[in-house]
Amino acid sequence: AQSVTQLGSHVSVSEGALVLLRCNYSSSVPPYLFWYVQYPNQGLQLLLKYTTGATLVKGINGFEAEFKKSETSFHLTKPSAHMSDAAEYFCAVTQAAAGNKLTFGGGTRVLVKP
Amino acid sequence: SQTIHQWPATLVQPVGSPLSLECTVEGTSNPNLYWYRQAAGRGLQLLFYSVGIGQISSEVPQNLSASRPQDRQFILSSKKLLLSDSGFYLCGFRREGSPLHFGNGTRLTVT
Repeated sequence: AQSVTQLGSHVSVSEGALVLLRCNYSSSVPPYLFWYVQYPNQGLQLLLKYTTGATLVKGINGFEAEFKKSETSFHLTKPSAHMSDAAEYFCAVTQAAAGNKLTFGGGTRVLVKP
Repeated sequence: SQTIHQWPATLVQPVGSPLSLECTVEGTSNPNLYWYRQAAGRGLQLLFYSVGIGQISSEVPQNLSASRPQDRQFILSSKKLLLSDSGFYLCGFRREGSPLHFGNGTRLTVT
């Protein structure tokens, strides 16, 4: 079985400040990990993914995430928040050969203050 | 390029009425297809997934059903909607080893 926990359903950051969204997963086999962003009334857009190889992955819009196996974490960061980063972010996990089902975390809504 | 279309974008239906949401994928063959629901204050819940025509796996017991009449078509249905069926429904597709890509979603309000 696999699961994802996102700490904090809401995060408030000031424009220009660091954005840190936490994600911890559980998986019985090496995971594939994803971060998605959702703007109001839209579908989910892929930000970045980790499958194998380099543990620090860079995505769109200046976001990056680091896979830490020892901590079973895949936290998402952005050095400097922009107003356009206000959205809901979802962490997701799957396994390479598990019927390709993705399990999502509960989501973290980011509010950016001017 | 691979694209996914989902419609309608919004839907308001009375309790007890039927439901049909449709999703089609272009630019790929034999994708894995998914229906997720996002209810207010909750995360994403996997409802159904399909690895091939006529192959449907249900994740959560409910009054919804899914069908895959063609390789790149996925339909979510209900014979009688409940108030609790309100939510944001997302269709997605995925090829082996690739991320899951979503449609733009359908906002369903059951009144």
